[in-house]
Amino acid sequence: DAGVIQSPRHEVTEMGQEVTLRCKPISGHNSLFWYRQTMMRGLELLIYFNNNVPIDDSGMPEDRFSAKMPNASFSTLKIQPSEPRDSAVYFCASSFSGGGASGETQYFGPGTRLLVL
Amino acid sequence: AQKITQTQPGMFVQEKEAVTLDCTYDTSDQSYGLFWYKQPSSGEMIFLIYQGSYDEQNATEGRYSLNFQKARKSANLVISASQLGDSAMYFCALSGSARQLTFGSGTQLTVLP
Repeated sequence: DAGVIQSPRHEVTEMGQEVTLRCKPISGHNSLFWYRQTMMRGLELLIYFNNNVPIDDSGMPEDRFSAKMPNASFSTLKIQPSEPRDSAVYFCASSFSGGGASGETQYFGPGTRLLVL
Repeated sequence: AQKITQTQPGMFVQEKEAVTLDCTYDTSDQSYGLFWYKQPSSGEMIFLIYQGSYDEQNATEGRYSLNFQKARKSANLVISASQLGDSAMYFCALSGSARQLTFGSGTQLTVLP
């Protein structure tokens, strides 16, 4: 079975440019999470969706960040305009929410390494 | 609020020996889950093992076992018979009523030949 798919795997862009990260969750999973990993802050949740609906976006840094999930098999995280401090690894993860929130294993994609110059 | 603490930034272990990676947690949820993930130098996050707060038995998955002590709020990962391929960063994570994972700062494990 295919795992979580993310694209691109690497992105180098210049400050001020728009960046779009893409994620395809595992088929059948109904929760999707976007995380960011940096040396300074570690792994932190940006936003998560359940059944394509954003549930918690309190981790989104600011208005420059936006995320969408138009259907069960696709999500995007957009940064516009990008800044050097956005440089990080962005992970997408998915899980199946069957009601027992504490036992839902999240499976991660390979991540997108973003460098903003 | 949920918190995970991993106090060992780095650990060394000899190949074929066992190693314990420490993890303590804090949560106000009655029902919660504890997870361990492995992140090799290639960067992906690999799920290793899960322990539910109401599970009476410690979780095991092959060479991985989770030493769960609920009263002490600890969920240590034990890796038996270490292999060179076990060298990686290991993250402990907590989930509760909110579905998102709260991660610790990680432990960098190095397996020596």
